[in-house]
Amino acid sequence: GAGVSQTPSNKVTEKGKYVELRCDPISGHTALYWYRQSLGQGPEFLIYFQGTGAADDSGLPNDRFFAVRPEGSVSTLKIQRTERGDSAVYLCASSLSPSSYREQYFGPGTRLTVT
Amino acid sequence: AQTVTQSQPEMSVQEAETVTLSCTYDTSESDYYLFWYKQPPSRQMILVIRQEAYKQQNATENRFSVNFQKAAKSFSLKISDSQLGDAAMYFCAYSGGSNYKLTFGKGTLLTVNP
Repeated sequence: GAGVSQTPSNKVTEKGKYVELRCDPISGHTALYWYRQSLGQGPEFLIYFQGTGAADDSGLPNDRFFAVRPEGSVSTLKIQRTERGDSAVYLCASSLSPSSYREQYFGPGTRLTVT
Repeated sequence: AQTVTQSQPEMSVQEAETVTLSCTYDTSESDYYLFWYKQPPSRQMILVIRQEAYKQQNATENRFSVNFQKAAKSFSLKISDSQLGDAAMYFCAYSGGSNYKLTFGKGTLLTVNP
């Protein structure tokens, strides 16, 4: 079946602009996660959705970052007033929930470059 | 807070040989899961192997196996009969308790020499 998809693959934006990153999870997966991966680092957790609601948003770095999942499937990560430090690969993952194995399946990521 | 440490930024192995990647973690949870993910240059994170903390038996998936030492909080990955396609970044990850997020180490870059 189809895996997790993310669009766009690459996004270049100017400092101060607004961007939206999209994630389509695996069909039937009710849990969805966003991570940010800076160059040379492991992914860092941003937010976790169970269905339509954000179950844990403790990783969002500040109020410029916001994510939604209105129908419990597709999710959009929104970044306002982008800064050069926001440049990174943004990874989305999904998993069956409840899951006794906690396996997360990742998309290919969106590389965001803020100039 | 849970932490995951990978002390080997880079490793190399000859094709067909065996290599072991190290990982240690810190947690106060008794129920948790450990994972190794592979990330090739395509950026796609691929699950290699999973270990449940309550299982004493080490997980094995074909050429990949782990050495899980719960008391030492150590979780190493052994790759046997290394292939050129194994070259990638390898990340150790932890998920525990009621927190479903993954906490990753900084990764180990594996090079496979022909």
